[in-house]
Amino acid sequence: AQTVTQSQPEMSVQEAETVTLSCTYDTSESDYYLFWYKQPPSRQMILVIRQEAYKQQNATENRFSVNFQKAAKSFSLKISDSQLGDAAMYFCAYRSASGNTPLVFGKGTRLSVIA
Amino acid sequence: ETGVTQSPTHLIKTRGQQVTLRCSSQSGHNTVSWYQQALGQGPQFIFQYYREEENGRGNFPPRFSGLQFPNYSSELNVNALELDDSALYLCASSLVIRTGSSYEQYFGPGTRLTVT
Repeated sequence: AQTVTQSQPEMSVQEAETVTLSCTYDTSESDYYLFWYKQPPSRQMILVIRQEAYKQQNATENRFSVNFQKAAKSFSLKISDSQLGDAAMYFCAYRSASGNTPLVFGKGTRLSVIA
Repeated sequence: ETGVTQSPTHLIKTRGQQVTLRCSSQSGHNTVSWYQQALGQGPQFIFQYYREEENGRGNFPPRFSGLQFPNYSSELNVNALELDDSALYLCASSLVIRTGSSYEQYFGPGTRLTVT
């Protein structure tokens, strides 16, 4: 079974600074997807960024980028120019690429942004 | 295009009661997945419905059951509620194509269930 580990329960960052959230996963599969989801106090889980395992290039979405290290099974999220609205729980998630499989989530990292 | 909606937003039930939670999937999506998120935890997969049939289940007892309707909306039913069932219940919809490949799951705002 696949597992996702987020070792940082809480992180904080100054507004306009950069922060990196860590995620590691365990799988025996070679083809899969990795995601970062944001869950603000409103509770709605919002997709931040997605990475296909077969792609070597790291995904980027505006201020959000990932560092995907397949051999190390590491998938970190970098948030640049942090904004107050970035404060939320961030979840790393894994999904197998074979068939219609569910997401496997980590326990999350609570990010605080300090003005 | 409408997003995923869930009802009710929150509710309080007593141990031993039964509850039904509802989810309307995003327009064009044919798959609904349900997750349970306990306080301070990541979501845990309960089960998934594809074209009105359950096609995947997590480690949850049979008292957790569901339905998917022809319009792809879905219900989650929980019988004999226990205190540990208190959690945020998230519904996510996605589009699965014939080969089994699926696209991103889009989540609803969740239903907060409190069992006393």
